[in-house]
Amino acid sequence: GAGVSQSPRYKVAKRGQDVALRCDPISGHVSLFWYQQALGQGPEFLTYFQNEAQLDKSGLPSDRFFAERPEGSVSTLKIQRTQQEDSAVYLCASSLIASQETQYFGPGTRLLVL
Amino acid sequence: GENVEQHPSTLSVQEGDSAVIKCTYSDSASNYFPWYKQELGKGPQLIIDIRSNVGEKKDQRIAVTLNKTAKHFSLHITETQPEDSAVYFCAAPYTGRRALTFGSGTRLQVQP
Repeated sequence: GAGVSQSPRYKVAKRGQDVALRCDPISGHVSLFWYQQALGQGPEFLTYFQNEAQLDKSGLPSDRFFAERPEGSVSTLKIQRTQQEDSAVYLCASSLIASQETQYFGPGTRLLVL
Repeated sequence: GENVEQHPSTLSVQEGDSAVIKCTYSDSASNYFPWYKQELGKGPQLIIDIRSNVGEKKDQRIAVTLNKTAKHFSLHITETQPEDSAVYFCAAPYTGRRALTFGSGTRLQVQP
């Protein structure tokens, strides 16, 4: 596709539910990042993939957060037993090669936990 | 890790005026500094970036300057237009990681 796409764009969950957020990076991009953006704040790093390998997950806030990219393209961020503090916009970004810093962002998934 | 500070948090200018947003960073090893524009309900869009081997880069009405000694970089927008109204974020590489550390954002309002 022309850019990074994410789905769903909006998700409302009841506290305690599990959610899965999908990211389709730009075709051929090796690196994929997930960020969390709280209201009125800048994006904060969650995790990084190079192809299918998750090389950095140090930004994941708890073990309720899990991400995968099994075939090195599409990625899924899963949040188990959602809490109200998980409410945020979840952004996915990709870059062409591993050493390239330029990241291209998707539109984000806005998650609201009630 | 890298710490990026951005100011001002809000900026209001008249159409046609210039706008300047400033950022400082902490890691002297950082060598890549992008600027993103984020409109309401959208993801951040890269508008310009600079690497540490140059001091200034310009693209039409947008320019970025870098002072590595002082560890700060700035975004300059000239001849502002109402469609420039958005939130702007600076960023720098997170020390030892591939990820970016972002500033807290500047909400720019261009008054017609």
